[in-house]
Amino acid sequence: QSALTQPASVSGSPGQSITISCTGTSSDVGGYNYVSWYQQHPGKAPKLMIYDVSKRPSGVSNRFSGSKSGNTASLTISGLQAEDEADYYCSSYTTSSTLVFGGGTKLTVL
Amino acid sequence: QVQLVESGGGLVKPGGSLRLSCAASGFTFSDYYMTWIRQSPGKGLEWVSYISKTDNTMHYADSVKGRFTISRDNAKNSLYLQMNSLRAEDTAVYYCARVWRSGGCMDVWGQGTTVTVSS
Repeated sequence: QSALTQPASVSGSPGQSITISCTGTSSDVGGYNYVSWYQQHPGKAPKLMIYDVSKRPSGVSNRFSGSKSGNTASLTISGLQAEDEADYYCSSYTTSSTLVFGGGTKLTVL
Repeated sequence: QVQLVESGGGLVKPGGSLRLSCAASGFTFSDYYMTWIRQSPGKGLEWVSYISKTDNTMHYADSVKGRFTISRDNAKNSLYLQMNSLRAEDTAVYYCARVWRSGGCMDVWGQGTTVTVSS
């Protein structure tokens, strides 16, 4: 159950777009279309932003989008805003019927 | 409104036990898989365990297998995590979350309860 691999940090200026990658294996990210993305502000519980690779829950801004190619999933945030500054985590279902998270990415809005 | 409230955290010595609870409200608890996730201080999220709706199928992370037991009481709209043989590395904020769909995405989270394992 190795954690999925995410960059430790990314940054961007307001209005720009950024992409966070999430790399796993054929036993998790590559094996299912069950990748989710979560946003976590300091001291708060995580919030679901993307599920099933690219679907947005009701109420989540369409500035957030997800995709997947092979064993790597990606979260793209367009039109960066100050309130997007947070930690972001990917998660995937696995062939062992377990769940696994990425190590998390700290997004800084410059 | 839809809500999850964890309780039962605290300070416990290495080797000790603790039972966490998660009270659900605002939705039909028995319709959903439920899960526990933890976050060590300054670290990332770690999936711990999940349990199915009613047939009590459970899965665990390797790091807690054999020490932790997840259970639920649908009549009481409650989820539990029995933690035995606790270690310093189990120190974390423990969140319960609702599993919304197949594939394990978690759409409702509690505020978390803190477990500290220290002598």
